Amino acid sequence: EDQVTQSPEALRLQEGESSSLNCSYTVSGLRGLFWYRQDPGKGPEFLFTLYSAGEEKEKERLKATLTKKESFLHITAPKPEDSATYLCAVHQSQGNLIFGKGTKLSVKP
Amino acid sequence: SAVISQKPSRDICQRGTSLTIQCQVDSQVTMMFWYRQQPGQSLTLIATANQGSEATYESGFVIDKFPISRPNLTFSTLTVSNMSPEDSSIYLCSVGPGVGTDTQYFGPGTRLTVL
Repeated sequence: EDQVTQSPEALRLQEGESSSLNCSYTVSGLRGLFWYRQDPGKGPEFLFTLYSAGEEKEKERLKATLTKKESFLHITAPKPEDSATYLCAVHQSQGNLIFGKGTKLSVKP
Repeated sequence: SAVISQKPSRDICQRGTSLTIQCQVDSQVTMMFWYRQQPGQSLTLIATANQGSEATYESGFVIDKFPISRPNLTFSTLTVSNMSPEDSSIYLCSVGPGVGTDTQYFGPGTRLTVL
């Protein structure tokens, strides 16, 4: 069965404390892996798309990487405004997006 | 990226009533999607709405409960019918993928509470 698992469920960091979020997946025919940020009461905001193992994308303090079985979202020197839920989704070649449950990140000043 | 708006942004409804949610996009798109996000859960696809054809529903979702309209390439509606408290969720409209991209973009969501 196709599946997306994110860990940890919640992560509390001090401002400036770098860390990584994990997204592991089992899917037949990966067409793409997506990272979104979701703030409370809002819709998901697109961050990155990754297509093949070894690919990396960066945006400000965030860097996303992809292997054949998982993706990491690295957060370098986070700030309180980085606090949000980060969602991972995979797009099957013959199907729709499958979302993980997300990692709720809290960054304390 | 497309700019997507939804109406209403939130509503509180009584059991047994129906609510229609509107989704407006600032550009013409072929594929539109409706998702549900229950409290503490991730996004679950309800149906895919393509203009000019019947919506395609995912397992566990039926047209009688969630009728969808797609009258043109910039607009869609989702109706939540005969509501019960279990329908309390955030309902999200999404568009994409488009030409040259696999990315889906999401609207701000409609927060529905059923009493």
